[in-house]
Amino acid sequence: AIQLTQSPSSLSASVGDRVTITCRASQGISSALAWYQQKPGKAPKLLIYDASYLESGVPSRFSGSGSGTDFTLTISSLQPEDFATYYCQQFNSYPFTFGGGTKVEIE
Amino acid sequence: EVQLVESGGGLVKPGGSLRLSCAASGFTFSSYSMNWIRQAPGKGLEWVSSISSSGTYIYYADSVKGRFTISRDNSKNSLYLQMNRLRAEDTAVYYCASDYYGSKSPFDYWGQGTLVTVSS
Repeated sequence: AIQLTQSPSSLSASVGDRVTITCRASQGISSALAWYQQKPGKAPKLLIYDASYLESGVPSRFSGSGSGTDFTLTISSLQPEDFATYYCQQFNSYPFTFGGGTKVEIE
Repeated sequence: EVQLVESGGGLVKPGGSLRLSCAASGFTFSSYSMNWIRQAPGKGLEWVSSISSSGTYIYYADSVKGRFTISRDNSKNSLYLQMNRLRAEDTAVYYCASDYYGSKSPFDYWGQGTLVTVSS
């Protein structure tokens, strides 16, 4: 199975900060990567698909990049509603896998 | 408006069985692959199983293979997960989610989840 390693596992940041989360795949997955945001008690929400495409309705401060094995989710200016846990997921091959998550907390 | 509503969760003893359902509305259910994803309390997301739009192709995580069975009824716009020989480590919130596009796709719509607790 393809393993996804997210880093960091948690971070503290302030409103307005630029935040970068990385996701590394154990083998190449082309651009078959998605990013999700999850708030406590809620279902995950799709933010980015195919590594760099912004899901409809998602603010443009979110962006994704990368291909192959190394991927990045960037929040250009952190907003109060962005404090949540973020997961990457590969859908290149079964079994689909998720990264361990990155919890973004208020500094 | 797309809606996915899971049901069937609850408390079950180790070794027991449970059947989860996911009722879909607001989209052409029969055109999309569907998925089950779970999340143990305080833990990350784990993909469990996927089924193609017609039900022809089915995939399972190794952790549930041979114990869980995914199925769908396109006439009822419903997805199911039959869970047998349940273990404590199957305790989790189970989400159903639809594929964004064809097979091997991210998940665009998710249900609210249903909690399965396996405990004696």
